[in-house]
Amino acid sequence: GAVVSQHPSWVICKSGTSVKIECRSLDFQATTMFWYRQFPKQSLMLMATSNEGSKATYEQGVEKDKFLINHASLTLSTLTVTSAHPEDSSFYICSAPGGAAQPEQYFGPGTRLTVT
Amino acid sequence: AQSVTQPDIHITVSEGASLELRCNYSYGATPYLFWYVQSPGQGLQLLLKYFSGDTLVQGIKGFEAEFKRSQSSFNLRKPSVHWSDAAEYFCAVVPHGGFQKLVFGTGTRLLVSP
Repeated sequence: GAVVSQHPSWVICKSGTSVKIECRSLDFQATTMFWYRQFPKQSLMLMATSNEGSKATYEQGVEKDKFLINHASLTLSTLTVTSAHPEDSSFYICSAPGGAAQPEQYFGPGTRLTVT
Repeated sequence: AQSVTQPDIHITVSEGASLELRCNYSYGATPYLFWYVQSPGQGLQLLLKYFSGDTLVQGIKGFEAEFKRSQSSFNLRKPSVHWSDAAEYFCAVVPHGGFQKLVFGTGTRLLVSP
């Protein structure tokens, strides 16, 4: 089956620094990837749609200058949390559809970000 | 408003007992329907999905779900729960014309008692 990986699985950073999270589709190509944020004991909230070769589209209320998304290739999307603050501490999960127009998505294992 | 509702925040079931987790959606056209499971600190695993056809869908780990158009529901069931089923369960939909975006319910935490 389709596999999506994320790196790192967890990261601790100091307030004011930036952190990059990678999302890779290992055995398939993904022109679109999705980034979600999940606070403890809450559901997943879609942050943005990452588009290969073009700008990401952000959901309402998500700061595009704070959460930089780059879809560098057909198998890699990155999320950079810039000038991180403690309130950015969360579980970040990416997903990729199985194919163009396919509604089913495959999820990465998630990245736990803690900002101190 | 378009939404996915999981009315039960927590459910406790005895090991070996049956389970039903509820999910309702409010969309004009029937969306694509999914159930995912998440263990603590882990990503999401797809249990089953419904796109069209037979309204009773079989999934992994002995789970099944039934789509009922008249009730706008897609409830998840398992005849006999195992302790390893304790986890968070999410119902999710992709609306038609929704550009593959998943919309999640609030989740139901399943606790299994001995």
